[in-house]
Amino acid sequence: AQTVTQSQPEMSVQEAETVTLSCTYDTSENNYYLFWYKQPPSRQMILVIRQEAYKQQNATENRFSVNFQKAAKSFSLKISDSQLGDTAMYFCAFTDTSGTYKYIFGTGTRLKVLA
Amino acid sequence: NAGVTQTPKFQVLKTGQSMTLQCAQDMNHNSMYWYRQDPGMGLRLIYYSASEGTTDKGEVPNGYNVSRLNKREFSLRLESAAPSQTSVYFCASSGYGGSGELFFGEGSRLTVL
Repeated sequence: AQTVTQSQPEMSVQEAETVTLSCTYDTSENNYYLFWYKQPPSRQMILVIRQEAYKQQNATENRFSVNFQKAAKSFSLKISDSQLGDTAMYFCAFTDTSGTYKYIFGTGTRLKVLA
Repeated sequence: NAGVTQTPKFQVLKTGQSMTLQCAQDMNHNSMYWYRQDPGMGLRLIYYSASEGTTDKGEVPNGYNVSRLNKREFSLRLESAAPSQTSVYFCASSGYGGSGELFFGEGSRLTVL
């Protein structure tokens, strides 16, 4: 069974600094997709970034970028120039392309950006 | 632009009562999902529907039933609520099940006394 592990329950970072959130996953599939979702205090789930496993290039979205290491099954999220609005829970998620249609989430990392 | 709509947003039940959480999406998505979120547990998949007419169990299906009423609607039913089902429930949908972005509703906070 596929699993997603986020080993950092809580993190904090100073405003304007850079922080990296870790995520590892386990799968026997070769083709899959990985996601980072943000959940601010409003509870709304917001897609931050998406990575396709067959693409070697790491995805970036403005201040958010990933370090995708397929062999190590690692998918970390880097937030540059952290802002107070980045304070949120961050979830790593996985889905494969084998037709199961399941999206599996990690337990989340609570990030607090300090002024 | 409604996206995914869940009702109710909040509900308090007594042990043994039943209730149905409603979910509707207006994005013409094929796949729909129900998750529960508990502190320290992340989001756990309860049931999902890959396409209209199909439903499958996720990680934590016990105590729940679902109905994919049509392409738009996917309901979650608690037949006999238990305190262990106190949680925040999220409905989500995807237009490209297994590859596309999951779009989430705002969540429903359920408390079982």
